[in-house]
Amino acid sequence: GENVEQHPSTLSVQEGDSAVIKCTYSDSASNYFPWYKQELGKGPQLIIDIRSNVGEKKDQRIAVTLNKTAKHFSLHITETQPEDSAVYFCAARPALGGTSYGKLTFGQGTILTVHP
Amino acid sequence: GAGVSQTPSNKVTEKGKYVELRCDPISGHTALYWYRQSLGQGPEFLIYFQGTGAADDSGLPNDRFFAVRPEGSVSTLKIQRTERGDSAVYLCASSVESGLLNTEAFFGQGTRLTVV
Repeated sequence: GENVEQHPSTLSVQEGDSAVIKCTYSDSASNYFPWYKQELGKGPQLIIDIRSNVGEKKDQRIAVTLNKTAKHFSLHITETQPEDSAVYFCAARPALGGTSYGKLTFGQGTILTVHP
Repeated sequence: GAGVSQTPSNKVTEKGKYVELRCDPISGHTALYWYRQSLGQGPEFLIYFQGTGAADDSGLPNDRFFAVRPEGSVSTLKIQRTERGDSAVYLCASSVESGLLNTEAFFGQGTRLTVV
């Protein structure tokens, strides 16, 4: 089955700096890669996702890059703000039609702290 | 409401008891997922419903765990003979399945289960 590794486990930055979180996956059948932000006591909330037919996607201060050959994808947050502080999870999901379709495999999470 | 609703938000039960956790997905979402999240970990897949049927239940840890979705909307996760190791946050998510695209999964706030 799919295995997703996420690094670093904790990340501390100053407000205004950039933050980068990296994930690797093992199953070449995965073709959908969402990133979730989880605040204390809440469920994960999707912040950006990328499909395997593109290499990069941006949404304001957030961007995700995907390298299918190397099986890794990264989250980039620019101009970080204290409200970006949360736990971030990457995930991978196989293509529609596969036997494991519907099953998101998550990384272990990154605790991001943005200091004012 | 507009989001995925899970009840109860917290549940404390004694070891050996039976519990039911409820999930109300977003109206019109045909796909429903259950995940379990232990402290400091990413969510782990339990089961995925497409309509009324369980399309993938490979994540259920043992036969004490069972889930149903009899009318293709509300789902109940049932745990028999609870053990202390079952303590975790149980997350439910739902999504629209277009049949061609991987679509966003929206998560509920979770049910925190504590077995004492």
